Amino acid sequence: KQEVTQIPAALSVPEGENLVLNCSFTDSAIYNLQWFRQDPGKGLTSLLLIQSSQREQTSGRLNASLDKSSGRSTLYIAASQPGDSATYLCAVKGSTLTFGKGTMLLVSP
Amino acid sequence: EAQVTQNPRYLITVTGKKLTVTCSQNMNHEYMSWYRQDPGLGLRQIYYSMNVEVTDKGDVPEGYKVSRKEKRNFPLILESPSPNQTSLYFCASSLFWASVAYEQYFGPGTRLTVT
Repeated sequence: KQEVTQIPAALSVPEGENLVLNCSFTDSAIYNLQWFRQDPGKGLTSLLLIQSSQREQTSGRLNASLDKSSGRSTLYIAASQPGDSATYLCAVKGSTLTFGKGTMLLVSP
Repeated sequence: EAQVTQNPRYLITVTGKKLTVTCSQNMNHEYMSWYRQDPGLGLRQIYYSMNVEVTDKGDVPEGYKVSRKEKRNFPLILESPSPNQTSLYFCASSLFWASVAYEQYFGPGTRLTVT
């Protein structure tokens, strides 16, 4: 059964810092990996989708990488802003869609 | 606008009173699913549907029913709700399942409280 782990569980940084969120998974037989953002009590906003054959995807200040063989993905956020404060979830699509428990990010002004 | 809609968004009910949470998508997606989100447990899949009239259990199906009679709709039915079903529920859809290219789209969530 696929297991997805996100480290760290929580992260607090000052505005302007570059930061990396980590996601690891146990079964490399995946279709793709998707990063989401969730604001408190709200729905999931899709940030980036990386197909299993891809190494990375970029959208604005966000860059996500995928190393399928080692079961790892990272989400890089450049020049963080207070508006980036949210919980970030990675989801791995294999036989099912399995979520990590998320990294709660707080960016202080 | 392409979207997944859920209704109601908030619901407070009592133990044993049957309820239905509706989910609809306007993207002609074949795959639809339901998740619940609980603190410390993350998002867990309840049921999924690969296409019309095809449904299957996810990780936590006990106490729930679903049906998929039309492509766009995938309602979640709680026949006899209990307090342990208090949770935040999300419906999701995707064009196809067995493809690398298609992302999951999520609805806005339904916060259910069972007293």
